[in-house]
Amino acid sequence: NAGVTQTPKFRILKIGQSMTLQCTQDMNHNYMYWYRQDPGMGLKLIYYSVGAGITDKGEVPNGYNVSRSTTEDFPLRLELAAPSQTSVYFCASSYARGQETQYFGPGTRLLVL
Amino acid sequence: QKEVEQNSGPLSVPEGAIASLNCTYSDRGSQSFFWYRQYSGKSPELIMSIYSNGDKEDGRFTAQLNKASQYVSLLIRDSQPSDSATYLCAVMDFGNEKLTFGTGTRLTIIP
Repeated sequence: NAGVTQTPKFRILKIGQSMTLQCTQDMNHNYMYWYRQDPGMGLKLIYYSVGAGITDKGEVPNGYNVSRSTTEDFPLRLELAAPSQTSVYFCASSYARGQETQYFGPGTRLLVL
Repeated sequence: QKEVEQNSGPLSVPEGAIASLNCTYSDRGSQSFFWYRQYSGKSPELIMSIYSNGDKEDGRFTAQLNKASQYVSLLIRDSQPSDSATYLCAVMDFGNEKLTFGTGTRLTIIP
């Protein structure tokens, strides 16, 4: 089991460029999440999904889009990169809601210049 | 807006002593409480979860929950240098799929 994998590990973007952060889990988890973590701060939820074809906004969704066509994959799209999107992005998954552990991927460090 | 508050630290504790980490939350409807450990440059990993008032022990770790006072704490006994990390408190409402995280407390264990 690879768990939750994320690519790329690190990326530098110019303002206005777009990119997709990839997230894949092989644990057959229904729930998947995208967080961002700014230096010295906690995690902020961007988007989440409770199953294939179902997504919903989190606390800080502006500037991002997601899709969930399969149980395994949950890509995060940045359409017009801005310096405010410089952050570390974590993908996480869990089997079900509530008391279930969320498993985190290793993160993607994004720098927008 | 739901809030989870933690002292950002840094909290310095001598090796072998007890480290005490605290967290308060604003939403009385919160039902599930989690402590995550995050080493520098790494992703968070779950170390404790607690759902009922009282204490829950797991090895050197004890989580304490007081819903009336809206706080949850984590005690680390016999602190080791490997415990040096940032500890994130997270809270989830009943029937809600989302976690709300605090900003974390940076803990340093001094040999």
